[in-house]
Amino acid sequence: GNSVTQMEGPVTLSEEAFLTINCTYTATGYPSLFWYVQYPGEGLQLLLKATKADDKGSNKGFEATYRKETTSFHLEKGSVQVSDSAVYFCALSSSGGYNKLIFGAGTRLAVHP
Amino acid sequence: DTGVSQDPRHKITKRGQNVTFRCDPISEHNRLYWYRQTLGQGPEFLTYFQNEAQLEKSRLLSDRFSAERPKGSFSTLEIQRTEQGDSAMYLCASVGRNNEQFFGPGTRLTVL
Repeated sequence: GNSVTQMEGPVTLSEEAFLTINCTYTATGYPSLFWYVQYPGEGLQLLLKATKADDKGSNKGFEATYRKETTSFHLEKGSVQVSDSAVYFCALSSSGGYNKLIFGAGTRLAVHP
Repeated sequence: DTGVSQDPRHKITKRGQNVTFRCDPISEHNRLYWYRQTLGQGPEFLTYFQNEAQLEKSRLLSDRFSAERPKGSFSTLEIQRTEQGDSAMYLCASVGRNNEQFFGPGTRLTVL
């Protein structure tokens, strides 16, 4: 079945460091891929998405490229801020199955000044 | 756009009691999902509605769980005879034309 695997956290970085959170997926067909973010005390928010191979999603300085050959969708940011501290979830939506989201386990990011 | 709302935000109940949660989606959204999130895990799909029709149910949704969406507006999720394993965050999401899922803040259930 479809699944998402993302790197375990927590990831602890200093402000202005480079961030990578790895995400790989298993899916039939051509899924859409997403990164969601959950800030402390808040609900899940869509951060970025990509709907086909080689698409790059970007938002708020974060980027991720849909790599079909490596079944990956790694999240990157060149310079993190303390306000980026949150839990990040990689997810996929299969082309069938009413577009329900299948999530990874989440990666907690802590950024220190 | 007032966002997706869920009520209550927190519910503490004793094992064996019934609980009901409500989700109010964004008004023009006709598609609605329920997910469950346990500590340290990502959300897991429970069920999906298009308007008032429940089109898909996960095998996670045992016969103690029932969901409705009368008139295709708000939705309710009821858990009968709660068990400690039901303790989780229950999330609702509604979907508009661009297929983006907007999540509510969730209802945190604690079963003692």
